[in-house]
Formats: sequence, C-alpha cells, structure tokens
Amino acid sequence: SQKIEQNSEALNIQEGKTATLTCNYTNYSPAYLQWYRQDPGRGPVFLLLIRENEKEKRKERLKVTFDTTLKQSLFHITASQPADSATYLCALDMRSSASKIIFGSGTRLSIRP
Amino acid sequence: EPEVTQTPSHQVTQMGQEVILRCVPISNHLYFYWYRQILGQKVEFLVSFYNNEISEKSEIFDDQFSVERPDGSNFTLKIRSTKLEDSAMYFCASSEAEDSHEQFFGPGTRLTVL
Repeated sequence: SQKIEQNSEALNIQEGKTATLTCNYTNYSPAYLQWYRQDPGRGPVFLLLIRENEKEKRKERLKVTFDTTLKQSLFHITASQPADSATYLCALDMRSSASKIIFGSGTRLSIRP
Repeated sequence: EPEVTQTPSHQVTQMGQEVILRCVPISNHLYFYWYRQILGQKVEFLVSFYNNEISEKSEIFDDQFSVERPDGSNFTLKIRSTKLEDSAMYFCASSEAEDSHEQFFGPGTRLTVL
C-alpha cells in the first residue's frame, strides 16, 4: 500500500530563514500532491496542490516542488515568520476526481524570533 | 468567507453508546468526507460521500459507522456502539466539484469514549 514519510518530525529554524520540509512516498505516483497546515486542535487548512506533470508551484512565500523520479515533494517557506509555526501535512490524492486524501504524519515547524 | 461547521465541539460518551456527529458543509459543495485523528497520530480518511451515497470508505469505516445527509445542509456520522478506541478528533470536509481537489475542513469534534 502507499506509504508517505515526512522526514522530520520537528523542525526548528530562525525567523527570516527558509524552511524546507520533505515528503517522500513509496509505490506509484499520485495524480496530485497537496500540502496542508494544521494548528493544534484545529482542522487541516489547504495550502497548495501540485499535479504529477508539474515540477514547481508557488504561492506568495510558499513553494512546492514535485519529483516523480525521486518520489519526493519539497515544501519551502521563504522569509519565515513566527506565525508560520504549525504542523505541515503532506497529502497524496491518488485519483483524477475528488476523492480521499492520504495524509503524512506531519512536520512540526517552529520559527523562533 | 464560507466555512464548514461541526457540532458539538466536544462529545463525551460511555462505551457502547451511540453518537451522532454533525457537520454543515459549504453550501455549494458536492463532495463530503469524514476523517479522524487519534491524539498524536495522523489524519485518517474514513469515508467520502457524493450524490447521496458513499463513494469510497476505508477499512476503519466498518459496520459500526454510517453517514447520512438527512436534508440539504447537514452531513452526519453515526457510530452505533462506541468503543474506547473511537476516541479521536473527527473532521468533516467538503469540496466543490469533481475537478476540485482542495478540501475544506471543519474545526472538528473531539469524541471521548469512557
């Protein structure tokens, strides 16, 4: 079955630096890969989606890359701020229509001032 | 901005009791989902629902679980006979259309089974 690994359970970086989070998966590539943010006690919030035929996607300070050869996605937050502190979830969307999402266990990001 | 709402925010129940968790998806959305998250663990898919029927369900979603859209706005998850291991946050989500992959999550219901 499909497995997702988010390599760091926790990441601690200085404000202003770029945070880079990693998501690796096994088996076949998803049609779509998504990144969500989750704050404690809250539901996930959608951030970005990247399709299997896209290499890179950007939204403001966020950037996602998708390498189907390496079976890996990288999620970058540039000019990080303490407000970016949260858990970031990688999620695989396996099909071409709206369907279930398989979530990774998340990386807890802390941005220190 | 439209949002998914869930009630109650916290439900405490005795083992063996039935619970119904309620969700109001975003009004023009067509696809509805339930997920759960056991404390400290990953978010897990339970079931997806479209056009008044289940479109997909996970192994977790056994005969103890059922979903319903009783009217044009509510979407419910029923657990018939709760077990201790059902204690978790339950999230409802909705998405707009078949080509839309962004799922909007509600704030969750924390279910505690004693």
